[in-house]
Amino acid sequence: DAEITQSPRHKITETGRQVTLACHQTWNHNNMFWYRQDLGHGLRLIHYSYGVQDTNKGEVSDGYSVSRSNTEDLPLTLESAASSQTSVYFCASSESGMDTQYFGPGTRLTVL
Amino acid sequence: GDSVTQMEGPVTLSEEAFLTINCTYTATGYPSLFWYVQYPGEGLQLLLKATKADDKGSNKGFEATYRKETTSFHLEKGSVQVSDSAVYFCALRHSGGGADGLTFGKGTHLIIQP
Repeated sequence: DAEITQSPRHKITETGRQVTLACHQTWNHNNMFWYRQDLGHGLRLIHYSYGVQDTNKGEVSDGYSVSRSNTEDLPLTLESAASSQTSVYFCASSESGMDTQYFGPGTRLTVL
Repeated sequence: GDSVTQMEGPVTLSEEAFLTINCTYTATGYPSLFWYVQYPGEGLQLLLKATKADDKGSNKGFEATYRKETTSFHLEKGSVQVSDSAVYFCALRHSGGGADGLTFGKGTHLIIQP
């Protein structure tokens, strides 16, 4: 069955380190998204991509970057991790022209 | 910009009680509206959706009707079960095509007691 996976599921890192969170989908969806989930804020969009070589900033993109070299993967990089980036991160994907998004299981990131 | 407002809870009910979780939105045009559910330790799952005014989305006994006149999309279920305990998110996607992300409410934590 097609699915969307994220790794690692849990990560502890130190302030200032570079961290990359992986997202892999086998739906063959063109659209992919990264959100962060914080108590009292719901989910907020970080970056999104329409397809290979395309990336766009979302509501809370500062301190994050993404790259899209193939259809299946959209890794999220924190260039220099900060304590304010402690959060749960969700990846999602959708078909072109369709508005239903399918979510991965999430990565819990703690920045000490 | 677009926004979604929903009751945050926690909402605590007894099994077999009637459930309503209110959701109102602010958006230009005609957004698509969604309810997602998150069970403990898991990602979000689509529960139901509606794409135009007066549409009713339904799934697993849950229903919500797209009310443009009141900009609302309230979630209802006639008889809740302990297994419905979860966090429920109302969301919208702005109309106009493209791959824009969803705008979420803050989530409502629902607790069903046996």
